[in-house]
Amino acid sequence: QKEVEQNSGPLSVPEGAIASLNCTYSDRGSQSFFWYRQYSGKSPELIMSIYSNGDKEDGRFTAQLNKASQYVSLLIRDSQPSDSATYLCAVNRGYGQNFVFGPGTRLSVLP
Amino acid sequence: GAVVSQHPSWVICKSGTSVKIECRSLDFQATTMFWYRQFPKQSLMLMATSNEGSKATYEQGVEKDKFLINHASLTLSTLTVTSAHPEDSSFYICSAFGSRAGRWYQETQYFGPGTRLLVL
Repeated sequence: QKEVEQNSGPLSVPEGAIASLNCTYSDRGSQSFFWYRQYSGKSPELIMSIYSNGDKEDGRFTAQLNKASQYVSLLIRDSQPSDSATYLCAVNRGYGQNFVFGPGTRLSVLP
Repeated sequence: GAVVSQHPSWVICKSGTSVKIECRSLDFQATTMFWYRQFPKQSLMLMATSNEGSKATYEQGVEKDKFLINHASLTLSTLTVTSAHPEDSSFYICSAFGSRAGRWYQETQYFGPGTRLLVL
């Protein structure tokens, strides 16, 4: 089992819909969780972080964490074509710099 | 978010020359920096992990004599591509690991804007 897994994608949603991006992790001791967005030809950009169970909202983005299920998700409400990008899930396992990225999910928002 | 700069953003060079890329953490001290390479339509590929004051740790298949990494201070790491060849043409991205607020659980990677290298 890979340490961090994401939907294989690509994921296509119509403009205005909710995009749901999922991520699971294998190390139950993981402490912190992050979502990055990478536009084609650009470097990744940190868009959300979450540290405790529950939801965290920031504008149209909501991160959800369930440590018991070892699951973290990113919801994008009212998806826009400008949200089309690859989304990377990352997990900090809390000891040293033990930081792992998932393979990424490519999202296409269709106008 | 934290700011990480890279210089240059673009470089074109002749085959056989060496190219140095700088990565700077502008608003926090990064004990660890990472160097990635990304080819078009492919995933990020980690090349090496650089710790301040010590030798870099290279991923399997990355030639340490070709990709020289120096991390001389808590805010600066450099990658030198020695004797560059056309197959080294790629998008090179660095990241700095840390937290602006200094809280360990907020530590994450902050990426520079990347450097496009074209070797003719």
